Amino acid sequence: AQSVTQLDSQVPVFEEAPVELRCNYSSSVSVYLFWYVQYPNQGLQLLLKYLSGSTLVESINGFEAEFNKSQTSFHLRKPSVHISDTAEYFCAVSPLTGGGNKLTFGTGTQLKVEL
Amino acid sequence: AAGVIQSPRHLIKEKRETATLKCYPIPRHDTVYWYQQGPGQDPQFLISFYEKMQSDKGSIPDRFSAQQFSDYHSELNMSSLELGDSALYFCASSLDLHRDGGEDGYTFGSGTRLTVV
Repeated sequence: AQSVTQLDSQVPVFEEAPVELRCNYSSSVSVYLFWYVQYPNQGLQLLLKYLSGSTLVESINGFEAEFNKSQTSFHLRKPSVHISDTAEYFCAVSPLTGGGNKLTFGTGTQLKVEL
Repeated sequence: AAGVIQSPRHLIKEKRETATLKCYPIPRHDTVYWYQQGPGQDPQFLISFYEKMQSDKGSIPDRFSAQQFSDYHSELNMSSLELGDSALYFCASSLDLHRDGGEDGYTFGSGTRLTVV
């Protein structure tokens, strides 16, 4: 079984400041890792994913996340946030073997960007 | 590009009624997943289908059932609705992560918001 911990339920930050949203996971098998963003009253949009290869993955809108196997973490970062980044961010994992590809989500982090 | 289509977007039902949610996956995706997201909660996996066969089952109540049809669309049937069933129901589709290396990751639909009154 897998579990995902997002340590911060809310992260307030001023526009143009850097931000880090933390994600730690627990799993007895290797996993794929994902970050999803959910804007108010909307669905889940894939932000970025780690499947294999380089441990640093980037999205097209400036977010990046680094997979750290020893620390079982997949923290999300952005060097300069914009007001439009205000949303709920979910970290999720899916096991490489077994588990039927289902995603296990963290409880989410509400990022609130203020002027 | 085509996305995952869910219908209806909103649904209001009374207690003890039945609801049917539909999901049309991305063409060529062979796996469909259903998730339930309660108010202020993270999405919880309900059930999945691979090539029209149930592939995994999560915390889905016995009152719920689902199937995937020959055209790969899926339906989630919910009977004897309870107030606690009010939630956002997401469908997602993907190519099989393990077989294809997961390059196509998950793609979620916009969800169906079910309100039970």
